[in-house]
Parts: sequence; structure tokens; C-alpha cells
Amino acid sequence: NAGVTQTPKFQVLKTGQSMTLQCAQDMNHEYMSWYRQDPGMGLRLIHYSVGAGITDQGEVPNGYNVSRSTTEDFPLRLLSAAPSQTSVYFCASSYSRGFANTGELFFGEGSRLTVL
Amino acid sequence: GQQLNQSPQSMFIQEGEDVSMNCTSSSIFNTWLWYKQDPGEGPVLLIALYKAGELTSNGRLTAQFGITRKDSFLNISASIPSDVGIYFCAGQLRGGSNYKLTFGKGTLLTVNP
Repeated sequence: NAGVTQTPKFQVLKTGQSMTLQCAQDMNHEYMSWYRQDPGMGLRLIHYSVGAGITDQGEVPNGYNVSRSTTEDFPLRLLSAAPSQTSVYFCASSYSRGFANTGELFFGEGSRLTVL
Repeated sequence: GQQLNQSPQSMFIQEGEDVSMNCTSSSIFNTWLWYKQDPGEGPVLLIALYKAGELTSNGRLTAQFGITRKDSFLNISASIPSDVGIYFCAGQLRGGSNYKLTFGKGTLLTVNP
């Protein structure tokens, strides 16, 4: 079972470059989200989506864009990378009941991004 | 926004010892969850709690949803080396269109064989 798949696993960027972190899930989950993990900061929500065509901001959305054209995919875009965006990024999905998700998240293995 | 205080930040124990960690919040939640992150991996759900006062076990793990709905604890009995990792608590206040989880900053557990 694939679950939540993130690519790439590692990436090095220069300041100002753009890139997209890919996330795909094969569990037919309506809810998908992106978190960043920094030492001593825990997991912070960047953006989330409750279904195709619907996205919303989380706790730390600045510098990131998302879109949700299909149920399966939820890419995260960095338009102009900054050193402060050096982090480990996790995509997570969950089953939703009506308009509320269960909180039982399935995480990908992470994408480790370094911005020089 | 809502914040969770997770303690301790780190623990270094001997194999076979019991472990206890907890999370507290100034706000109420109606779901508490505990996740474990192995080194180099994404977090994995260990236990989910949906009712105040609920006590749930999963093997050597036991977690409780506090009566006040503002706290939760996780106990690990008879620790083994593979228990090493970061343990996160998470709270959710379900209702309306609220989907967001609030995570604690994690407890780093090291087990000495």
C-alpha cells in the first residue's frame, strides 16, 4: 500500500528559486494538508484542503501556495525560496466525515529542503 | 491561537523502565491524539481519544483524555529500544468547519539498552 507519497525526499535550492513539493495519496481521503517541522517548533500547519477545488491557510502560509485539482494530489509551491524555508515538510491526509476530519492523519515520509 | 504545552521536552531512560509524558492546554479540545515519529520518518498515529475521561490502551501504550478536556497523558510501560523517537500530542476542537489539529512540540525519547 502506497499511502501518502512525497517527492522529492531531498532538495537544495538557492535563494529566489522556485519549486514544487509533490504529494499524492491513494486512500481517497478528502482532507489533505502540509506541515513544516523545525527543531523545537513541532509541526506547524501551512495549508490544508477539504476537497478538490477547496484550500485554506494554516498557521504559517506566507511564501507558499497550494492547489487541489484532484482528490489524490496536493502540491506545495515555493515561488521564491528563502533561507527561512529550510525545513522538513510533511504532507498528511485523513478521512473526513461531512465537514469535519477525524484528526487521524496519515503522514508521508517527508521532504527535506535546504535553501542556501 | 490554541497552544499545547508538552512535557518533558526530552527523556533518557534505561530499557525496561516506564515512561510518562503529558500535554496541557489553556483551551478545551474534544479530540486528543498521540503520534510517534521514528528517526527520518513521518509521524504515525498511536492512539486517538474522543471522550473526556477516556482511557485507551494499545499494547504497552496507555493514554487518557483528561476530565477537564484540557490535558492528556501517554504512558509507555517496559520500554524497549524501538520506542526511541519523538512523541507528539495533538488536540482538535471539532465543530463547524474546523479541521485543524494543534500539535505539541514533541517529547524526544531515548532508550538506553
